Amino acid sequence: AQTVTQSQPEMSVQEAETVTLSCTYDTSENNYYLFWYKQPPSRQMILVIRQEAYKQQNATENRFSVNFQKAAKSFSLKISDSQLGDTAMYFCAERIQGAQKLVFGQGTRLTINP
Amino acid sequence: DAGVIQSPRHEVTEMGQEVTLRCKPISGHDYLFWYRQTMMRGLELLIYFNNNVPIDDSGMPEDRFSAKMPNASFSTLKIQPSEPRDSAVYFCASSTRIYGYTFGSGTRLTVV
Repeated sequence: AQTVTQSQPEMSVQEAETVTLSCTYDTSENNYYLFWYKQPPSRQMILVIRQEAYKQQNATENRFSVNFQKAAKSFSLKISDSQLGDTAMYFCAERIQGAQKLVFGQGTRLTINP
Repeated sequence: DAGVIQSPRHEVTEMGQEVTLRCKPISGHDYLFWYRQTMMRGLELLIYFNNNVPIDDSGMPEDRFSAKMPNASFSTLKIQPSEPRDSAVYFCASSTRIYGYTFGSGTRLTVV
């Protein structure tokens, strides 16, 4: 069974700092996709970044990047130059290729302080 | 594209009443998903459809819950009768086969 674990329920940093959110997953599959979603207070779920497991290169989207360690089944999100608008819940999720179910972690509540 | 559209945004109902949540997926997306979010259980997949056909409803909690997708542009999630423990945010999402989902803005359901 797929499981996704986010070990940090809450994190707080100062504006402009860099922050890393942790995520580990457990799957026996070789082909899968990993995602980070952001949920601000508006509750909208927003896709932040996506990583295909077969790609060795870590995905990057502007200030957001991931550290994908396939052997360790680790998928952390780094936010550089954090901004007040980054304050939100962040969810890590996994989707096995060929299956459509997206399994989410429990989330990390990130607060960016001015 | 207007994205995934859910209605209503908020719903307050009395225990025992029927509740219907609605979703319009993104045009061209052939998968549609219903998720429920609570503090205790996080995000749970209730059911998903492929080309309007229900594929996996193992997450539907009880027979009180039912979902339909009569066509590619519309789906409903119905709870009858509703109970206070059904109070949650219900999300609809759509996707193509490979990539991540696009979520709607959710319906916050409160059953009193």
